[in-house]
Amino acid sequence: GDSVTQMEGPVTLSEEAFLTINCTYTATGYPSLFWYVQYPGEGLQLLLKATKADDKGSNKGFEATYRKETTSFHLEKGSVQVSDSAVYFCALFSNQGGKLIFGQGTELSVKP
Amino acid sequence: DADVTQTPRNRITKTGKRIMLECSQTKGHDRMYWYRQDPGLGLRLIYYSFDVKDINKGEISDGYSVSRQAQAKFSLSLESAIPNQTALYFCATSDYRGSLYEQFFGPGTRLTVL
Repeated sequence: GDSVTQMEGPVTLSEEAFLTINCTYTATGYPSLFWYVQYPGEGLQLLLKATKADDKGSNKGFEATYRKETTSFHLEKGSVQVSDSAVYFCALFSNQGGKLIFGQGTELSVKP
Repeated sequence: DADVTQTPRNRITKTGKRIMLECSQTKGHDRMYWYRQDPGLGLRLIYYSFDVKDINKGEISDGYSVSRQAQAKFSLSLESAIPNQTALYFCATSDYRGSLYEQFFGPGTRLTVL
């Protein structure tokens, strides 16, 4: 079945460092891909999305490119801030049953 | 006001008790979902409903039941709670928008079963 694999956390960075969180997927066809973010004490919210190969999703300085050849959707940000500390979830929309499939989440902690 | 609300936000209960978690939404979405979140396991789907007359099991439905009382309300019940059901529970909604299927999450209910 469809699945999503993320790099394990926690990831600890200093403010203004470069961030990469790896995400790869297994799916039939070409699913829509998402990054969700969960700030402390809150529910998940959509950060960015991409619907087809080579699409780049971006929001709040974060970017991710849909790479069909490597089945990847890595999240990047050039300069992280303390306020970016959160748990980040990669997800795909599975055509098998019409559901979102989430990765296990990666906790990011940014220190001043 | 929040678009997706969950009650209660926190609950501590004992093994064997019946518990109901409630979810309400004002987004007018037809699809609603219940997930549980455990550290290191991400979110796992418990049940989902595509409209009032449609209920579907997710990957971990054993020990849970749901009721879709109206388009805006979707309740999750634990008939006889057990300690390994201690987790953070999220309700979510979605509506068809092209091929994106974005989901909107409530703030979560932290359930502890002693």
